Amino acid sequence: DAGVTQSPTHLIKTRGQQVTLRCSPKSGHDTVSWYQQALGQGPQFIFQYYEEEERQRGNFPDRFSGHQFPNYSSELNVNALLLGDSALYLCASSWATGPATEAFFGQGTRLTVV
Amino acid sequence: AQSVSQHNHHVILSEAASLELGCNYSYGGTVNLFWYVQYPGQHLQLLLKYFSGDPLVKGIKGFEAEFIKSKFSFNLRKPSVQWSDTAEYFCAVSPYNTDKLIFGTGTRLQVFP
Repeated sequence: DAGVTQSPTHLIKTRGQQVTLRCSPKSGHDTVSWYQQALGQGPQFIFQYYEEEERQRGNFPDRFSGHQFPNYSSELNVNALLLGDSALYLCASSWATGPATEAFFGQGTRLTVV
Repeated sequence: AQSVSQHNHHVILSEAASLELGCNYSYGGTVNLFWYVQYPGQHLQLLLKYFSGDPLVKGIKGFEAEFIKSKFSFNLRKPSVQWSDTAEYFCAVSPYNTDKLIFGTGTRLQVFP
């Protein structure tokens, strides 16, 4: 059973560029959340997608946007990259929208902005 | 603002020692509580969770955690650690009726044989 898969695993971008990260949820899951994990920190919630709509959003600027496709996969887009956007980006999927849902995490995409 | 504090940033133990990792959160309402573990080179995995009922919850690999509502705490314990427990441990809170997880900064545990 495939878990949560993310691509690419590593990425280097230049300041000011735009980046798209991809996530395929665990089989049977319909909800995708994105987190940013800076070095030495815990993951921070960016936003969550369910039924192709953004349901919740954390404290991130509009440069961070996302999309969910009919097959439940998701993309995270970041525009006008800043050096401070360098981090591990984690995708988590779940199958129910209740508060006790267990989130399954992918291995992440390591983004470096130079 | 909602936050989670993990006071132990780096813990070093010998095998068979007992473990307790602290976790405190700040949020006035009902919460669901989680401990996640990240083994070297692997993804975050759920260790245990609490959302109602018995405040002492048991997870995988012999871990347990106790929710003390009056102290806003959810400390993780294991009576006897193994070398394979070397990992980073994250406490997380999910305010009731939301799905977002608010994580602490993590505790790096190193267990030596």
